[in-house]
Amino acid sequence: GAVVSQHPSWVICKSGTSVKIECRSLDFQATTMFWYRQFPKQSLMLMATSNEGSKATYEQGVEKDKFLINHASLTLSTLTVTSAHPEDSSFYICRGTRGWHTEAFFGQGTRLTVV
Amino acid sequence: AQTVTQSQPEMSVQEAETVTLSCTYDTSESDYYLFWYKQPPSRQMILVIRQEAYKQQNATENRFSVNFQKAAKSFSLKISDSQLGDAAMYFCAYRSASGTASKLTFGTGTRLQVTL
Repeated sequence: GAVVSQHPSWVICKSGTSVKIECRSLDFQATTMFWYRQFPKQSLMLMATSNEGSKATYEQGVEKDKFLINHASLTLSTLTVTSAHPEDSSFYICRGTRGWHTEAFFGQGTRLTVV
Repeated sequence: AQTVTQSQPEMSVQEAETVTLSCTYDTSESDYYLFWYKQPPSRQMILVIRQEAYKQQNATENRFSVNFQKAAKSFSLKISDSQLGDAAMYFCAYRSASGTASKLTFGTGTRLQVTL
């Protein structure tokens, strides 16, 4: 079945630095990539939707200058957390879609810890 | 806007027993999809079961089945013959059938414990 590979699975960075998270669709072309954030014991919160070759659409309250999303190809989307702060520590998950019935294509998630 | 509500933060079931997780949703649409996801400690999201709103028949996947009540906007998940590996967070989710974006709206989740 289709797979979305997300890396890194965990990362620790210093406050003020930037971190890049990658999501690759391994055997399908992800025309759309959704990026979620999940706090401990909470649900998934949609941060942004990116379509290949165009600017991402951010949900209300999500800082687009802090969370930079690039979807330059049909197989790769990246989320860069810029000037990270401890409050950005969270679990980030991507989901790739290629149309309908692609609800299963989640990445493995990235646990970000900012110290 | 659609909302999904899971009123049971935690549930517990004994191994081999049956448990039902509740989910209600609110929408003005007539055509949509509903899902149950499992998130084990690894935190990988796993699709458990899918239900199309236009289908009256309840979806089943092995030990997992749903009770879909469209008029009541209820979508519960029944896990039969519970196993230790079923212990996880379970999320109910909604997706509209219209438009081009396949956005998912998630409930707050139910943590399922399975005891011996």
